[in-house]
Amino acid sequence: EVQLVESGGGLVQPGGSLRLSCAASEFTFSDYWMTWVRQAPGKGLEWVANIKQDGREKNYVDSVKGRFTISRDNAKNSLYLQMNSLRVEDTAMYYCAGYTSGWYRNYWGQGTLVTVSS
Amino acid sequence: DVVMTQFPLSLPVTLGQPASISCRSSQSLVYSDGNTYLNWFQQRPGQSPRRLIYQVSNRDSGVPDRFTGSGSGTDFTLKISRVEAEDVGVYYCMQATHWPPSFGGGTKVEIK
Repeated sequence: EVQLVESGGGLVQPGGSLRLSCAASEFTFSDYWMTWVRQAPGKGLEWVANIKQDGREKNYVDSVKGRFTISRDNAKNSLYLQMNSLRVEDTAMYYCAGYTSGWYRNYWGQGTLVTVSS
Repeated sequence: DVVMTQFPLSLPVTLGQPASISCRSSQSLVYSDGNTYLNWFQQRPGQSPRRLIYQVSNRDSGVPDRFTGSGSGTDFTLKISRVEAEDVGVYYCMQATHWPPSFGGGTKVEIK
């Protein structure tokens, strides 16, 4: 069974940092674009960042540029999101997802909750 | 950025009756390769999103055939032919043609 398991969420003060991880299994991780999508409590879905199969192309939504860094380790079948200078408005469930070019296949994790509060 | 507008926001439906959700994009979603990267997702209460439809009208594996996607250009529709209790949740359209990918605001489907 395909699995994406996120970890690393928690409570952090404004200005703090967190590193999210996503462990993938039962699919060829290196064939997939990987992304982080977040959902603030009671709100809709927002794309955060994505990274190409070989890690050479990374894209970020404007609101996280310069603060978040997406990375991957294909040898470990893992995706990461380093989040610095966190703001209250970054509070959300963060989902890890993978998709093939053309979006023919996609997989989603169950999410990890990040709460930014003093 | 492409704005995705869904309506209605809330959709109370009687079991066994049809339901229809509309999604409009602020720009054409036809990509340079000729494909239209419009997805539909279902999010049941307390669960992560699950994709139902990709490229406007292709059902994902395991998705019941009562779900149908249609549309072109900037106007798209998700139809449920006969709503079942397990269909309760929020439905999102999502475009992946333009950067950044963007989601509609969601349509909450509930049983009357």
